[in-house]
Amino acid sequence: EDQVTQSPEALRLQEGESSSLNCSYTVSGLRGLFWYRQDPGKGPEFLFTLYSAGEEKEKERLKATLTKKESFLHITAPKPEDSATYLCAVQAEISGGSNYKLTFGKGTLLTVNP
Amino acid sequence: GAGVSQTPSNKVTEKGKYVELRCDPISGHTALYWYRQSLGQGPEFLIYFQGTGAADDSGLPNDRFFAVRPEGSVSTLKIQRTERGDSAVYLCASSPHREGTQYFGPGTRLLVL
Repeated sequence: EDQVTQSPEALRLQEGESSSLNCSYTVSGLRGLFWYRQDPGKGPEFLFTLYSAGEEKEKERLKATLTKKESFLHITAPKPEDSATYLCAVQAEISGGSNYKLTFGKGTLLTVNP
Repeated sequence: GAGVSQTPSNKVTEKGKYVELRCDPISGHTALYWYRQSLGQGPEFLIYFQGTGAADDSGLPNDRFFAVRPEGSVSTLKIQRTERGDSAVYLCASSPHREGTQYFGPGTRLLVL
């Protein structure tokens, strides 16, 4: 069974204090790993897709990286508007199957104080 | 362009009642997904449509839950004989094809009293 574990559950940073969020995963074969941002009362907003170990993607202050067992979301010099829950999800490759669902972790609640 | 829309945004019902939740995907997206999110949890998969057919309904918790997508666009999630444990946010997502990025709607917050 596919599993996704995110840590920490919650993280408080001061504005400008860089840090990383972790997403560990267990999957039979990885089709893709996805990062989403979710603001309170809203649906998840797509950030990145990573497909293979060693891949990196960047967007503004965010950078996502991928290894064979985990992914990191690095936040450089965060601002208060980066405060949100960050969700990690995997899409598994199943031989001969048609699996396209996402399996999510519980998320990391990031708070950035001014 | 317009994103995924869901109606109603909030629904309060009584235990035992029937509810329908609607999802309008992004125009042209052939794949449509339903997920359920409880407080403090990540979204959990319910069902996936490719076109008009349900390609994977392995996440539906029991036979009180049913979903349709008759014309390959709008989808309706139907819940019969609602229970308090059905209270959650029901999220819909669409993607341009089955391997594409899934884009989520704002969700419908269902409260069963």
